[in-house]
Amino acid sequence: EAQVTQNPRYLITVTGKKLTVTCSQNMNHEYMSWYRQDPGLGLRQIYYSMNVEVTDKGDVPEGYKVSRKEKRNFPLILESPSPNQTSLYFCASGAGGGFPGGYTFGSGTRLTVV
Amino acid sequence: RKEVEQDPGPFNVPEGATVAFNCTYSNSASQSFFWYRQDCRKEPKLLMSVYSSGNEDGRFTAQLNRASQYISLLIRDSKLSDSATYLCVVTGGFKTIFGAGTRLFVKA
Repeated sequence: EAQVTQNPRYLITVTGKKLTVTCSQNMNHEYMSWYRQDPGLGLRQIYYSMNVEVTDKGDVPEGYKVSRKEKRNFPLILESPSPNQTSLYFCASGAGGGFPGGYTFGSGTRLTVV
Repeated sequence: RKEVEQDPGPFNVPEGATVAFNCTYSNSASQSFFWYRQDCRKEPKLLMSVYSSGNEDGRFTAQLNRASQYISLLIRDSKLSDSATYLCVVTGGFKTIFGAGTRLFVKA
């Protein structure tokens, strides 16, 4: 089954404790991206990757890091989480060339930073 | 001005009604356009791509007007199961902008 897998689904952590949210896709997609979703603000792009070892900032990259060492994986790293990073996070992947098939999203990670 | 704007609603309609959503975008160089559906705090799912020629999928019709920079979604014969948030999505290069979504409630 074609899918994007995110882990964990839920995470409660304390301020300053480094964490990683994993994202993996099995569709051989070149493009992967991370979003956060907050009430009233919709989904905002954090980082995206056009291919292995190629990443770029989205609209809200502060406080986040990513890496793309393999085509299938695109982890999101919070080196020192803060309460304003409490949010619902989605990973997505898509084929290149204008994404004719749109994106496939993971099931989301609900992060709470206390 | 937001790059992608949608009427947040909510739209409350009876079963069987026709409802239309509009979305405007500010970047004239935008290349690809989509409508996604999102159920309460679940992942967005692709509803349909949007083309200048317009496209239809069953009860759903999407239109793109590049000159006026807006996208529309028409839902005919609304079902209870259509209750969700509808997201307008615009891409340009590798950047993707989501509208904040329009909430639809279909009531029996």
